[in-house]
Amino acid sequence: DVQMTQTPSHLSAAVGDRVSITCQASQDIRNYLNWYQQKPGTAPKLLIYDASKLEAGVPSRFSGSGSGTEFSFTISSLQPEDIATYYCQEYDNLPCNFGQGTKLEIK
Amino acid sequence: QLQESGPGLVKPSETLSLTCTVSGGDISSSDYYWAWIRQPPGKGLEWIGSIYYTGRTYFHPSLEGRITISADTSKNQFSLILSSVTAADTAVFYCARGGTQRGSRPLDSWGQGTLVTVSS
Repeated sequence: DVQMTQTPSHLSAAVGDRVSITCQASQDIRNYLNWYQQKPGTAPKLLIYDASKLEAGVPSRFSGSGSGTEFSFTISSLQPEDIATYYCQEYDNLPCNFGQGTKLEIK
Repeated sequence: QLQESGPGLVKPSETLSLTCTVSGGDISSSDYYWAWIRQPPGKGLEWIGSIYYTGRTYFHPSLEGRITISADTSKNQFSLILSSVTAADTAVFYCARGGTQRGSRPLDSWGQGTLVTVSS
């Protein structure tokens, strides 16, 4: 199994702040990395695929980067509606594991 | 659109059965695969298995021997069967569509999720 270590587990930031989350893979997963947003009581929503490609309809303040074992997800200017838990997920091998999640709160 | 259906309460040692009905897309399309993901209350996401248009299935190793995923193309549905359930299987179960044409095979459409509680 590829283990995904996502940090931090909790993040508090102010509206307008730049926010970043990191995901580290236990082995090289090339760019086979997705990022999802999950708001309370709802299903996850795909934001980023192939590590850096923005899903259609997703605001451009969201971005992803990285390859190999180190990946990052950034919100350039935090908005109140971005309050959610964010997950990375790899698909280089099965099982396609998720990170533990980062709960993002407004300061 | 995807919609999960099935019992919300299952007794320990019995079998959990869920169905996902897909609308607006053909589950026999080679452009997609179909997955089940679960989320225990207050915890993170866990991929549990997938089925491809060929009928090939893949399961989480921790569930091998207890899990079956099948598809009914005539109804545009796919199903999950999990046997010998325990309280540890209590979770919100999501069905989702994955894209085969993108390298990271992202899950780009999800059902709303259904809570299954294992309790006597």
